[in-house]
Amino acid sequence: TQLLEQSPQFLSIQEGENLTVYCNSSSVFSSLQWYRQEPGEGPVLLVTVVTGGEVKKLKRLTFQFGDARKDSSLHITAAQPGDTGLYLCAGLKTSYDKVIFGPGTSLSVIP
Amino acid sequence: DTGVSQNPRHKITKRGQNVTFRCDPISEHNRLYWYRQTLGQGPEFLTYFQNEAQLEKSRLLSDRFSAERPKGSFSTLEIQRTEQGDSAMYLCASSFLGTGELFFGEGSRLTVL
Repeated sequence: TQLLEQSPQFLSIQEGENLTVYCNSSSVFSSLQWYRQEPGEGPVLLVTVVTGGEVKKLKRLTFQFGDARKDSSLHITAAQPGDTGLYLCAGLKTSYDKVIFGPGTSLSVIP
Repeated sequence: DTGVSQNPRHKITKRGQNVTFRCDPISEHNRLYWYRQTLGQGPEFLTYFQNEAQLEKSRLLSDRFSAERPKGSFSTLEIQRTEQGDSAMYLCASSFLGTGELFFGEGSRLTVL
């Protein structure tokens, strides 16, 4: 059973388009993280959200944590080829628990 | 500190052989995780440590897999009697207790022939 679901699984878009990817769960998390991973490398942390309803911005990336702390979204404005990669959400149910990952969204931005 | 270090980066072995991977975490971090990842999928949890104590091992892991973190510093992951299905990227990450902010190594890619 996958505790964290992500959608879509694959996304291929043209440079300059906007996109949103989703991370959903039936469980409540004390915090959610978003990572980006490029082929052959380990995931790199982008952001952490901890408060229900929280919105964080990182340049063209906007992250939102759901009010009930069960879901999150990542919105990219004016996508660039450098945004290509595997986007992973991860969560911590309590501070004493382990970090689990979703299956990822593979994004390809075509020049 | 240069971050999380894993070695070897690549390992090719024959079915039935044993392999060992090493992870050197960020020195101040008390949590250390091992994950397994196949192409295009998210990291699958294997096990994690708080200092030298192994807190949990995935029920999906067979007894062929074992991990240690002596003295709460570096960690090793050993796979005995490797099978072709063990071929994957093995990722190590470290963090402070209570945070989901993991710092990953570059991974160790295992190919079992």
